Amino acid sequence: DGGITQSPKYLFRKEGQNVTLSCEQNLNHDAMYWYRQDPGQGLRLIYYSQIVNDFQKGDIAEGYSVSREKKESFPLTVTSAQKNPTAFYLCASSTTGTGYFNYEQYFGPGTRLTVT
Amino acid sequence: EDKVVQSPLSLVVHEGDTVTLNCSYEVTNFRSLLWYKQEKKAPTFLFMLTSSGIEKKSGRLSSILDKKELFSILNITATQTGDSAVYLCAVAGRDDKIIFGKGTRLHILP
Repeated sequence: DGGITQSPKYLFRKEGQNVTLSCEQNLNHDAMYWYRQDPGQGLRLIYYSQIVNDFQKGDIAEGYSVSREKKESFPLTVTSAQKNPTAFYLCASSTTGTGYFNYEQYFGPGTRLTVT
Repeated sequence: EDKVVQSPLSLVVHEGDTVTLNCSYEVTNFRSLLWYKQEKKAPTFLFMLTSSGIEKKSGRLSSILDKKELFSILNITATQTGDSAVYLCAVAGRDDKIIFGKGTRLHILP
């Protein structure tokens, strides 16, 4: 079964701790994305990657970091510098890579992070 | 700054009505516009529009893009309670960056 997985589904952390959210896909997609969703805000882009070992900041990258060491994996770290980390985080992938344009995104089930 | 604006933000109609959802955009190096439906957790893909004036249809849903006026509409005819969801519009632009609007929350009354 091809798909995109995120873990864990729910995550609770104390303020001041870094936390890493997992995102894995076996769709052989080049591009991967991280979004944050808050009530009434739609999806806001945190980081995205078009190819292994390369990634770009989205609109709200401050306080987050990513890596793309493998095509299948795009983990997101929420650092203690992120002022309001409590949110629903969605990972997505698409076939689009450099020079090829198909932007249909497949989304993972999401991780709900609560920081207290 | 790139932006995608959806309207209305919220809509309540009765089953059987037809609805039109709007999406306008200002995006550098526009590549495509996409519509998604989000019911519980993950959004699901509806349409991708790249060319102006060509309608895409899937059952009771249809969508069209106007690249001159920088907007798209999503129509749903003969609405059913199962159409209740948040409908998201997204635009792909420079460097394959994809940004979303805030969504339209649609509620269908039986």
